[in-house]
Amino acid sequence: TAGITQAPTSQILAAGRSMTLRCTQDMRHNAMYWYRQDLGLGLRLIHYSNTAGTTGKGEVPDGYSVSRANTDDFPLTLASAVPSQTSVYFCASSPQSGSRDIQYFGAGTRLSVL
Amino acid sequence: DAKTTQPTSMDCAEGRAANLPCNHSTISGNEYVYWYRQIHSQGPQYIIHGLKNNETNEMASLIITEDRKSSTLILPHATLRDTAVYYCIVRVAHYITQGGSEKLVFGKGTKLTVNP
Repeated sequence: TAGITQAPTSQILAAGRSMTLRCTQDMRHNAMYWYRQDLGLGLRLIHYSNTAGTTGKGEVPDGYSVSRANTDDFPLTLASAVPSQTSVYFCASSPQSGSRDIQYFGAGTRLSVL
Repeated sequence: DAKTTQPTSMDCAEGRAANLPCNHSTISGNEYVYWYRQIHSQGPQYIIHGLKNNETNEMASLIITEDRKSSTLILPHATLRDTAVYYCIVRVAHYITQGGSEKLVFGKGTKLTVNP
């Protein structure tokens, strides 16, 4: 069972370059999320999408953009990467954006911005 | 969402039960208790959740005190693969229909080490 697939697994990126982190789910979940995880800060929500065609800002949206053209895909784009965006990025999904729904996470993308 | 307090770390012998406590003294009536874990270098994984009754599934059991101010996650027969950081999360039970998002607020969790 695939669940949530993130790509790439890891990446080293030069500051100022752009990059898109890919996230695909095969569970037909309505809601999808992007988190970043930094040592000592836990997971922080970057952007979310309650359903295809809609997106919203989380706690730390600056420097990131997302799109939700269909149910399955939720790419995260860094337009001009900065070193502070070095982090581990996790994509997650849930059947719908309700608190009793369980969130399922991908394996993560480790990004280093130099 | 109510705050939770968990021990920083715990050890458990392989094959024994691991009992992970969580205090949530400010929990309100419509808040559920969720447990997730994160094995090193992997994404968080849902374990179990409950409101006020004890819950059991194939992974674990959740015991919630009668006053709901604390709970215990029980892994009945811990294995080396259960070594992970375990997060106790308290969340409201309503659905958000306009704006907002059901983000998960992960605290620092408990680092459980299962020893051979």
